[in-house]
Amino acid sequence: VQLVESGGRLVQPGTSLRLSCAASGFTFDEYAMHWVRQAPGKGLEWVSGISRNSRSIAYADSVQGRFTISRDNVRNSLYLQMNSLRGEDMALYYCAKANDRRAFDSWGQGTLVTVSS
Amino acid sequence: EIVLTQSPATLSLSPGERATLSCRASQSVNRYLAWYQQKPGQAPRLLIYEASNRATGIPARFSGSGSGTDFTLIISSLEPEDFAVYFCQQRITWGATFGQGTRLDLK
Repeated sequence: VQLVESGGRLVQPGTSLRLSCAASGFTFDEYAMHWVRQAPGKGLEWVSGISRNSRSIAYADSVQGRFTISRDNVRNSLYLQMNSLRGEDMALYYCAKANDRRAFDSWGQGTLVTVSS
Repeated sequence: EIVLTQSPATLSLSPGERATLSCRASQSVNRYLAWYQQKPGQAPRLLIYEASNRATGIPARFSGSGSGTDFTLIISSLEPEDFAVYFCQQRITWGATFGQGTRLDLK
């Protein structure tokens, strides 16, 4: 299993950014996928999750209405569209594969989002 | 939102000793509780899922127990590579929450 995130960079508050996660080594369309973030020196915060067929989607309250998760099962990719970015969104964003026991059994190495003027 | 509270915040032990880490949920999560290990500069690694099931490749010195609101991770005899931060996580609904972490330090 390999998960490779990309798209993180330095952006100004109020702007948008799209993260991507390229998956390989497993049958992508058989698993739910999630985004988890970690601010520098802090703990883990679940951000959003999407079911294997995109019918079920959920967001943390802190990003509801600003972030949109999506997936492309043909391209084996997961996405996170982040709008109206704030300083508190600054973090390392991990892509994580969910197993069928509600745990995250594979993680990427993360992509860093820096929000600063 | 279900809040997970981990204790202690920091645990200082020596190799060979037994480590006991706790995670308490603000409401029942049945057995949908997982444990992760994170080392500096690395992504988290799944250790335990559904409260007591070891993930693939996890050594037998790691064990989990509990149900409802109270859970425990035990490392029976610490190895040098076990000193890290440990997080618990619940996912009884679609959304997940994590505990704030327990740092296991070398004494």
